[in-house]
Amino acid sequence: QKEVEQDPGPLSVPEGAIVSLNCTYSNSAFQYFMWYRQYSRKGPELLMYTYSSGNKEDGRFTAQVDKSSKYISLFIRDSQPSDSATYLCAMKASGTYKYIFGTGTRLKVLA
Amino acid sequence: GAVVSQHPSRVICKSGTSVKIECRSLDFQATTMFWYRQFPKKSLMLMATSNEGSKATYEQGVEKDKFLINHASLTLSTLTVTSAHPEDSSFYICSARGPLEDTQYFGPGTRLTVL
Repeated sequence: QKEVEQDPGPLSVPEGAIVSLNCTYSNSAFQYFMWYRQYSRKGPELLMYTYSSGNKEDGRFTAQVDKSSKYISLFIRDSQPSDSATYLCAMKASGTYKYIFGTGTRLKVLA
Repeated sequence: GAVVSQHPSRVICKSGTSVKIECRSLDFQATTMFWYRQFPKKSLMLMATSNEGSKATYEQGVEKDKFLINHASLTLSTLTVTSAHPEDSSFYICSARGPLEDTQYFGPGTRLTVL
């Protein structure tokens, strides 16, 4: 079993839809949870950073962490074609710099 | 803030040659930088962790003599792919540990093609 599981997609949605992206994990030591957006042939861009459980909102993006279920989510409201990219979840434990990445979910927002 | 650059963005070389990739933190000092490799439609694979002024720590299965890492200053780390072969063709991405948060900021990546 992989430490981090993420559906690779592709996920296609119409413009304006609410998008839900998810990752599950097995290591209960993970405390830091990140979401990155990666456009084709570019480096990942940090979108959201969350420590421990709870919700965090930034504009159209909301990150949720449920440590009891070992499940994290990223919601995108009012999705736009420019949101079309691969979304990577990443997580790490305290006391280490090493990130564990999901495989990424390819999102396509159709105009 | 927290901008990381990489140079070159793309390189094509002949088999057997060595290629150096630079990673710079432009507006912050990074004591720790990371080098990743990414295959098409795959996630990032950590190759090594680079600490300023000390030897890099390589992940299991990564040849340290083939992938030379130098982190000589707080804003620059370099990855040299020595005696490159076609199987080394990949997308190489560096990241730097952020200045305020315990997170990583990524460079734009370098696409290496070995003929």
